[in-house]
Amino acid sequence: AQTVTQSQPEMSVQEAETVTLSCTYDTSENNYYLFWYKQPPSRQMILVIRQEAYKQQNATENRFSVNFQKAAKSFSLKISDSQLGDTAMYFCAWYGGATNKLIFGTGTLLAVQP
Amino acid sequence: DTGVSQDPRHKITKRGQNVTFRCDPISEHNRLYWYRQTLGQGPEFLTYFQNEAQLEKSRLLSDRFSAERPKGSFSTLEIQRTEQGDSAMYLCASSFDTYARYNEQFFGPGTRLTVL
Repeated sequence: AQTVTQSQPEMSVQEAETVTLSCTYDTSENNYYLFWYKQPPSRQMILVIRQEAYKQQNATENRFSVNFQKAAKSFSLKISDSQLGDTAMYFCAWYGGATNKLIFGTGTLLAVQP
Repeated sequence: DTGVSQDPRHKITKRGQNVTFRCDPISEHNRLYWYRQTLGQGPEFLTYFQNEAQLEKSRLLSDRFSAERPKGSFSTLEIQRTEQGDSAMYLCASSFDTYARYNEQFFGPGTRLTVL
């Protein structure tokens, strides 16, 4: 069975600085996808960035980038130039194999301080 | 707004009562998912539909839970004889199946259930 682990329940960063959120996962599948979702307070979850496991190049979306280490089963999210609007719960998620569901970690609550 | 909508947004009920939630997916999306999110946890998969067919159910979906998508559009999730352990956020998501390996799931705002 697939598992996703986020070991940082809470993190804090100053506005304009860079922060890295950690995620590890366990799977025996070769083909899968990894995602970071953002869930702002009382608002719906949105996709921040995704990575296909077969791609070696790390995904980047504006201020968001990932460090995908397939052998280590590690998938961290780096947020550059943090903004107050980045304050949210961030979930790492896995999708692949024969499943049609996302498997989520427990989340990291990120607070961006002014 | 053409996003996923859920109704109600909040529901407070007494233990033993039945509750029903509704999800309206993005109009052209043929897949619809239900997840449950308890405090301090990530969302957990409950079930999903391809059009009107319910194709997969989690072990979390006890016999008190039933989900339908009668015309392949909106879906309802009913919980019978609610228990305090059912208190959670119930999330709906939808996607359009294009036979691509992955099709992005778009989430609704959720229905927060509190069982007293």
